[in-house]
Amino acid sequence: AQSVSQHNHHVILSEAASLELGCNYSYGGTVNLFWYVQYPGQHLQLLLKYFSGDPLVKGIKGFEAEFIKSKFSFNLRKPSVQWSDTAEYFCAVGSNYQLIWGAGTKLIIKP
Amino acid sequence: EAQVTQNPRYLITVTGKKLTVTCSQNMNHEYMSWYRQDPGLGLRQIYYSMNVEVTDKGDVPEGYKVSRKEKRNFPLILESPSPNQTSLYFCASRHMRGLSYEQYFGPGTRLTVT
Repeated sequence: AQSVSQHNHHVILSEAASLELGCNYSYGGTVNLFWYVQYPGQHLQLLLKYFSGDPLVKGIKGFEAEFIKSKFSFNLRKPSVQWSDTAEYFCAVGSNYQLIWGAGTKLIIKP
Repeated sequence: EAQVTQNPRYLITVTGKKLTVTCSQNMNHEYMSWYRQDPGLGLRQIYYSMNVEVTDKGDVPEGYKVSRKEKRNFPLILESPSPNQTSLYFCASRHMRGLSYEQYFGPGTRLTVT
């Protein structure tokens, strides 16, 4: 069955710490990969996406993600987090018609 | 401004009382979708529509209905709500053409069924 796994449900970091959020998937065929962010009280926004080409993808607000096909992973990274990065982060994998979503990771940044 | 709107934003209702949550987009998107978001479960798709009069079940369609009579609107109908439908609901839309898979989300509707 198709699935997306985000291993960490809650992550707490101090400002300026480096961030890596894991995303692993089980999906047949060509994958399209996404990271979305949901700031407190707001709707989901696209952080970055991967369709093909360079497996290292740059997104908004200094985020990046690396697609490692052999590991079925698409981990999200940021070298130095800020208090404003406090949010919930969702990985999603899909095809033209449907996206399968991970359960989300709540990130809390301590000032 | 390009956007997806949902109404109402908050709704408290009682078991069995039919309700409709509206969703509208102004981007001429073919694809529209409804999700529910529950803690620890992420987003689960309820129904989706690839165009007018074309709808299909997502992962958790039980207890919900949808219709797509116009391209811009995609209402979610709960004929007889139950407490297990208490959740945060999001509508989303995107183009079907090419590789533009980014979905634009509405602000969410927080539904409580007592």
